[in-house]
Amino acid sequence: QKEVEQNSGPLSVPEGAIASLNCTYSDRGSQSFFWYRQYSGKSPELIMSIYSNGDKEDGRFTAQLNKASQYVSLLIRDSQPSDSATYLCAVKGVDSNYQLIWGAGTKLIIKP
Amino acid sequence: NAGVTQTPKFQVLKTGQSMTLQCAQDMNHNSMYWYRQDPGMGLRLIYYSASEGTTDKGEVPNGYNVSRLNKREFSLRLESAAPSQTSVYFCASSESVNTEAFFGQGTRLTVV
Repeated sequence: QKEVEQNSGPLSVPEGAIASLNCTYSDRGSQSFFWYRQYSGKSPELIMSIYSNGDKEDGRFTAQLNKASQYVSLLIRDSQPSDSATYLCAVKGVDSNYQLIWGAGTKLIIKP
Repeated sequence: NAGVTQTPKFQVLKTGQSMTLQCAQDMNHNSMYWYRQDPGMGLRLIYYSASEGTTDKGEVPNGYNVSRLNKREFSLRLESAAPSQTSVYFCASSESVNTEAFFGQGTRLTVV
């Protein structure tokens, strides 16, 4: 059973601080890694995709991938109250027939 | 550019009734997906269509059928609704099975 694990939270972070969200996965053959943001009652929205080891930055968001440790993380700098949402990690690879394997999500709360 | 459009947004069914959820995308994507999301369980794949003319079962296909009507449209049918099918249903599409998925706004279905 291929799995993606996330801490369910809630993770509470002060406004302006760095929020760090973590995700581990079990399938060593995984090739593509995604972070989605989901506001309550809304659909998942893609934030970042990362395909190779290292860091990828997009504005206030940085995704970090370490395939050897089977670990992917999302950093949110200068956190804003509007960042309060559930963050979903998703992984796909050959062994999952390229279907997304989803974590259950981490609820992030940014406190003003 | 509408992206992925699902209808209806809300639906209440009685046990045993049937219904079809409609999904259309205008991004010229090849792959389309149907997910359900239940509290605490994350997103689970019901069926997917890697390309026009193909459909495959996902993690939880029982009680559902799908039709890839053309490249744009992918419908999900519940033949005999059960209370266990009460959930939020999301349609998604991607350029290919290797790339990131984009989601519709969701259908909140209640079976009583």
